[in-house]
Order: sequence, then C-alpha cells, then structure tokens
Amino acid sequence: EPEVTQTPSHQVTQMGQEVILRCVPISNHLYFYWYRQILGQKVEFLVSFYNNEISEKSEIFDDQFSVERPDGSNFTLKIRSTKLEDSAMYFCASSATRRGAFFGQGTRLTVV
Amino acid sequence: GESVGLHLPTLSVQEGDNSIINCAYSNSASDYFIWYKQESGKGPQFIIDIRSNMDKRQGQRVTVLLNKTVKHLSLQIAATQPGDSAVYFCAENIEGAQKLVFGQGTRLTINP
Repeated sequence: EPEVTQTPSHQVTQMGQEVILRCVPISNHLYFYWYRQILGQKVEFLVSFYNNEISEKSEIFDDQFSVERPDGSNFTLKIRSTKLEDSAMYFCASSATRRGAFFGQGTRLTVV
Repeated sequence: GESVGLHLPTLSVQEGDNSIINCAYSNSASDYFIWYKQESGKGPQFIIDIRSNMDKRQGQRVTVLLNKTVKHLSLQIAATQPGDSAVYFCAENIEGAQKLVFGQGTRLTINP
C-alpha cells in the first residue's frame, strides 16, 4: 500500500540552527502539506503546496519556514533558525485531490 | 470561526461494545469531514470520510454520521477491539480551502 515517508524520524538540533525535514509523498498525489503536533495537543496546519507553489499557510508558518519540492519526489520543510517552541512532531501529508490527506509517520523535532 | 472541538477528551469502553466518539464543528462552510486514528508515536491514519451532502457513511466496522443542522459529527465503532485503542481526531475541510482543521482528539481506551 503506498504511503508517505518521512526522514529523519527524530531530529535533535540546537536553538538557532537550520533544519530540513524531508518527505516523499505518495507518487500520484498532487497536493502536499505540512502539519505539526505539539506533544499532547491537536494537529495544526502549517502549509499546503500545489503546482509548485504555496496554496495556503497558517500564522505559524512565518518567515522562518519554507517549503520546497526540489525534484519530482521529495517535499521538504526548512526551518531557518529554530526556536525552543518549534519542538513538535512534524507531519507531511499528501492527497490526490484538494480534499483530505494521507499522513506520514512524522519527524520528531527537538530543539535544545 | 474555524474550530472543531470534541465533547469528551477520554472514552473508556468494554471490549466488544460499540464506541461512539463525538465532534462538534463551528464552520458552516465546511463541506468535507474526516476521522483519523492516531496511535502513540505515529501519524494520523485515515479511517473514513464524509461529504456534506451526505448524512451517513459506513465502512468496515465504522460508521460516520453527520448532522449539519447542529454541526455535529460522530464516529461509531462496532464491536470495539483492543487494537482500536488510540486517539481519534475529527477534521474538517472548509469549502474552497486546501487545509484540514483538526479537533482536540478523544482518547479511546478499551477495557478487557
């Protein structure tokens, strides 16, 4: 069964450092997303991406965040200068249509 | 505003009984809803979806009911099994938007 894959599963970084979280969406999907989940809380939308551009972004997705689809398979989330409050699970998701999403297993980001 | 909430944060049921998990949403422009299951340390797993032009949809052991009049969504799990233990989230897609808004989640615990 096709699935969204994310790497790494766990990333520890020092405050102020840049991190890149990587995702391989399901191959025939056209819509891509990043969500995050702070421990014990609900899943929060960050950004959606379609046709090589951002479709929507939340207030969380400020200038420190960026997304890229560098080739035909990868979809990345970059945080330029990490803060302690960026510590969370980051989920990549993809979908064939505008509706819904299938999620990866997540990357746990710990900022120390 | 955009918010999806859940009536109960935790639900305990006996193995073999039916479970009903509830969700209230506030945005009348939402036209698509999904239930996700999240096990510890994993990403949200798609369970079942329903469009706003429907009031009921059935899957394998699961049924989703949508009451647009009172903006209420429920997930019924028949013959609950230990493997059903997880946090369940409802999520809504607002018409025209390319994102999901998640509720707070309900933790379902199965008693033997």
